[in-house]
Amino acid sequence: QLQLQESGPGLVKPSGTLSLTCGVSGSPISGSHWWTWVRQPPGKGLEWIGEIYHSGGTNYSPSLQSRITMSVDKSNNQFSLKLTSVTAADTAVYYCARDGERGGNSVLDYWGQGILVSVSS
Amino acid sequence: AIQMTQSPSSLSASVGDTVTITCRASQGIRNDLGWYQQKPGKAPKVLIYGVSSLQSGVPSRFSGSGSGTEFTLTISSLQPEDCATYYCLQDYNYPRTFGQGTKVELK
Repeated sequence: QLQLQESGPGLVKPSGTLSLTCGVSGSPISGSHWWTWVRQPPGKGLEWIGEIYHSGGTNYSPSLQSRITMSVDKSNNQFSLKLTSVTAADTAVYYCARDGERGGNSVLDYWGQGILVSVSS
Repeated sequence: AIQMTQSPSSLSASVGDTVTITCRASQGIRNDLGWYQQKPGKAPKVLIYGVSSLQSGVPSRFSGSGSGTEFTLTISSLQPEDCATYYCLQDYNYPRTFGQGTKVELK
């Protein structure tokens, strides 16, 4: 059974860098899937952040593109998100997910449980 | 970016009712739309992809329809466990965009 688990600091200072890792178990990250990050500010809706393929190909949200870096670590079967110059507006629950893709359609079929990251001094 | 507009933002219905949620795209997105259910404190769960394909394990009371710019999620015979917030997600192009969500409560 595929499982995803986010990890990283729960508190980041303003202007600092948010760094999260999503550990994948039950399936090699080098399979034919895109790996996605989604976030949700407290009490608000879902925001797609971006995705990465095991080859390193990425698609990022234009609104965050200048501050985002995603990477894949095949040896540890995990992928990561870095978000720089954070402000209070980046406070959110961050989810990682797998895009299982069916028939050309995106299907975010496996999700981590989410990690709350607060930006505060 | 394509804007996805859901309506209503919330609704109350009784057990057994048929519930309909609409998602409108700011431009045509063919059949590149999915629906997700999220319960408080939990990660979203995919219900439907490609407008109308039911994800494995999802009860058949959930169905999706539509094309182009207007899409619908229908829950026939609402059950207590269906109380949640529902989001549409377009995968026609990048960036992927979610609707703002529809909260379904029991009357």
